[in-house]
Amino acid sequence: DIQMTQSPSTLSASVGDRVTITCRASQSISNWLAWYQQKPGKAPKLLIYEASTLHSGVPTRFSGSGSGTEFTLTISSLQPDDFATYYCQQYNGYSFGGGTKVEI
Amino acid sequence: QVQLQESGPGLVKPSETLSLTCSVSGGSISNYYWTWIRQPPGKGLEWIGFIYDNGSPNYNASLKSRLFMSLDTSKNQFSLTLTSVTAADTAIYYCARPFRRGQVAAFDLWGPGTMVTVSS
Repeated sequence: DIQMTQSPSTLSASVGDRVTITCRASQSISNWLAWYQQKPGKAPKLLIYEASTLHSGVPTRFSGSGSGTEFTLTISSLQPDDFATYYCQQYNGYSFGGGTKVEI
Repeated sequence: QVQLQESGPGLVKPSETLSLTCSVSGGSISNYYWTWIRQPPGKGLEWIGFIYDNGSPNYNASLKSRLFMSLDTSKNQFSLTLTSVTAADTAIYYCARPFRRGQVAAFDLWGPGTMVTVSS
């Protein structure tokens, strides 16, 4: 099974900060990686698929990069609505990373 | 607009069987890899498995011996059955759909989730 490791698990930041979250796969997954945002009490929301493609309606301050085993999610200028937990997911076999909570 | 809605008992006794249904409204159930995902309270997401409309399932290896999924195209529903549950199966259960028809892909459509507690 492919293991996904996210870092950091918690990130403290302020509005306007540039934020980067990393996801590593235990073996190559090509670009079969998605990023989700989840807020308390809600289902996850798709942000990025195929490592770098922004899903429809997602603000352009979100971007993704990487391939193989190393991936990053970047928020270029953190907004109040962005404080949430973020998950990566590989869909070569469907496992999720452990999540990164972005807090003030 | 397609919507998903999970339904099932909120409380199941240890060693018993958990059964959930996901109803698909506003669109066809055909040609998608319909998926179940769960999230224990305060923890991360775990993929449970998916079923395609030809009836072929793919299960998480850690749950495979206790898991069964089915799909009813006439009712536009798909279901999950998990046997011999323990407290470790306590979670919010989500149904989800990939954004591409006929392919394994990221999930752009999710149900609101249903909380299932395993307790006597």
